[in-house]
Amino acid sequence: KAGVTQTPRYLIKTRGQQVTLSCSPISGHRSVSWYQQTPGQGLQFLFEYFSETQRNKGNFPGRFSGRQFSNSRSEMNVSTLELGDSALYLCASSPGTGGPNQPQHFGDGTRLSIL
Amino acid sequence: SQQGEEDPQALSIQEGENATMNCSYKTSINNLQWYRQNSGRGLVHLILIRSNEREKHSGRLRVTLDTSKKSSSLLITASRAADTASYFCATGPLGRGQNFVFGPGTRLSVLP
Repeated sequence: KAGVTQTPRYLIKTRGQQVTLSCSPISGHRSVSWYQQTPGQGLQFLFEYFSETQRNKGNFPGRFSGRQFSNSRSEMNVSTLELGDSALYLCASSPGTGGPNQPQHFGDGTRLSIL
Repeated sequence: SQQGEEDPQALSIQEGENATMNCSYKTSINNLQWYRQNSGRGLVHLILIRSNEREKHSGRLRVTLDTSKKSSSLLITASRAADTASYFCATGPLGRGQNFVFGPGTRLSVLP
């Protein structure tokens, strides 16, 4: 099986712009979670989608949003970019059924740099 | 705030030695998982231990869980240079509406 694929791998934006990141989960996985990783804050949970519905949300401002499509692919969008949004954004997928305890399978992330 | 806290923050050992990393957490959990992250890459799941388990092994990995002390440890035996990475513990949610919480990680360097 192919792993979790995130595109693009690297992205450079300027303050005030918006950005869309994409994640293709492992085939058959219906849950997709997004995380922000920074040196200062570590790994922070953004949100989780399951069957096109947001199932859980972290403590991030409304500028961060996401969606999931019928094929389980997911996108996250960040509007009005700020310097502090520079981070590695990681996507993780899991089957999503059978309880909230399954290991998560991560992509290699999108490195977002804000100038 | 993060639930898991790894200790130490950084660890440097020689190849062939054992490496022990600790994780403490604050609230009740369903399970605890350990992940590895190589520089610039995503996280890789290593092992999951449920709250009713005390010890688990997987190859050169040994994980313990003490729910009374809200702590876990990851032991890597006979370390190799390829084990150089950051290691994170993550506490699994008790139910829907809760998410995994990752600790800040331990950076392990295995010197040849």
